[in-house]
Amino acid sequence: GAGVSQSPSNKVTEKGKDVELRCDPISGHTALYWYRQSLGQGLEFLIYFQGNSAPDKSGLPSDRFSAERTGGSVSTLTIQRTQQEDSAVYLCASSQFNQPQHFGDGTRLSIL
Amino acid sequence: QKEVEQDPGPLSVPEGAIVSLNCTYSNSAFQYFMWYRQYSRKGPELLMYTYSSGNKEDGRFTAQVDKSSKYISLFIRDSQPSDSATYLCAMNQYNNNDMRFGAGTRLTVKP
Repeated sequence: GAGVSQSPSNKVTEKGKDVELRCDPISGHTALYWYRQSLGQGLEFLIYFQGNSAPDKSGLPSDRFSAERTGGSVSTLTIQRTQQEDSAVYLCASSQFNQPQHFGDGTRLSIL
Repeated sequence: QKEVEQDPGPLSVPEGAIVSLNCTYSNSAFQYFMWYRQYSRKGPELLMYTYSSGNKEDGRFTAQVDKSSKYISLFIRDSQPSDSATYLCAMNQYNNNDMRFGAGTRLTVKP
């Protein structure tokens, strides 16, 4: 399909484990975003990549969170030493510059 | 005060009703305004996209922007049970990818 693809769609893991979440943006979109959405809550911005510029990491909640974007395309969000409060839906979006964002269906992360 | 305010609802209406969803904002530099629809266990889906003040219509949906009042609205005519979802407003400044979202309004349309 031509949309934003995220994997896995669901992830259950034990507290203290590391997790990696993947985002495959729409082809040709230069901007890529990660958000967190907790139950019944709005979107919490995490990190933003634009082309080859340094990413905007201002939304990352702690140093346990990191993200990279290889070759200006696929991105991976990594959470180290997961905590129960990390349980949420992690959404990825991509866009052309100054255009609306298009979202994937998210990864539902549950920390036991 | 949040930069974008949106009543979370929930809002419940009978099928066929006209629905009005609203957001207010504080940053007068916002130029682009969007409405997203999010079904349960899905990502937000772009519904409407408008620039500056005015109205935009697409089928049963009308988006209105009043920049003087810092107020945007989404109207849904002849609402259907399939419109039941959470609706999020979003906005950003010109030449700036930093988009701000409302918290979302949960809508239920009852048959």
